[in-house]
Amino acid sequence: ETGVTQTPRHLVMGMTNKKSLKCEQHLGHNAMYWYKQSAKKPLELMFVYNFKEQTENNSVPSRFSPECPNSSHLFLHLHTLQPEDSALYLCASSQRGLAGETQYFGPGTRLLVL
Amino acid sequence: EDKVVQSPLSLVVHEGDTVTLNCSYEVTNFRSLLWYKQEKKAPTFLFMLTSSGIEKKSGRLSSILDKKELSSILNITATQTGDSAIYLCAVEASRNQGGKLIFGQGTELSVKP
Repeated sequence: ETGVTQTPRHLVMGMTNKKSLKCEQHLGHNAMYWYKQSAKKPLELMFVYNFKEQTENNSVPSRFSPECPNSSHLFLHLHTLQPEDSALYLCASSQRGLAGETQYFGPGTRLLVL
Repeated sequence: EDKVVQSPLSLVVHEGDTVTLNCSYEVTNFRSLLWYKQEKKAPTFLFMLTSSGIEKKSGRLSSILDKKELSSILNITATQTGDSAIYLCAVEASRNQGGKLIFGQGTELSVKP
C-alpha cells in the first residue's frame, strides 16, 4: 500500500452538491497538505496542517473547508463549487522539523464540477 | 514574491539523446530544491538538493544546485520513452513552523522512439 492514499480517485459533482475528499498517510508524518493542480499551472498550495493545526491557507475560497482530525487523516469538504474548481486535488505529507523536508504525495482526486 | 521558473516548458527528443532541464528561483529563506517526475498521476520524488555544487545521481538522472546563480539543472542521459513525463522543480522556503513548497510550472518532456 502506498504511503499516502486518497479517496475517491475520481469525483463528478454539481455546483449545489456537498462532497468530501479524504486523505490518509501511513508514514508517521506530522504535517499534511492539500494542493490543487489545474491544467498547465504549477501546483497551488491550499492548506497546511502542522501537528493537526492549520498554519497556512493561501487565501482559498470558503467553499473549500479542510478538516484534520488527527495527524494521519485529512479531509477537504466541498460545497457550492464552481466549474473552474475542476482540477486534480493532491494530498501530501511530510515530517516537519527536519532540514530540507520532503513532501510525499498521494495519487490525487480528479474532480469535475458540472 | 517567491517564485520558481522552469525552462524549457516543453521538449521533444529522440531515444538516446541527453537532455538538460533548468530551474531558477527567487525565494526568501531558501531551504532546499526538489525535483519531481509526474506522469499521469501524482508527482514522484527524484532529488532533494540543499548544498551548492554537489551532484546527486540516480541511474541516468543527475542534478546539481548552484546557490550563487539561484538555479538547478536536471540531466537525463540516454533518454528512453519511459522518461516521458512532466518534470517539476520545487523550492522549499523556511517559515515559522517548517517549510513551504513552491513549484515551478514544469517541463514536459516527450521522448520519441
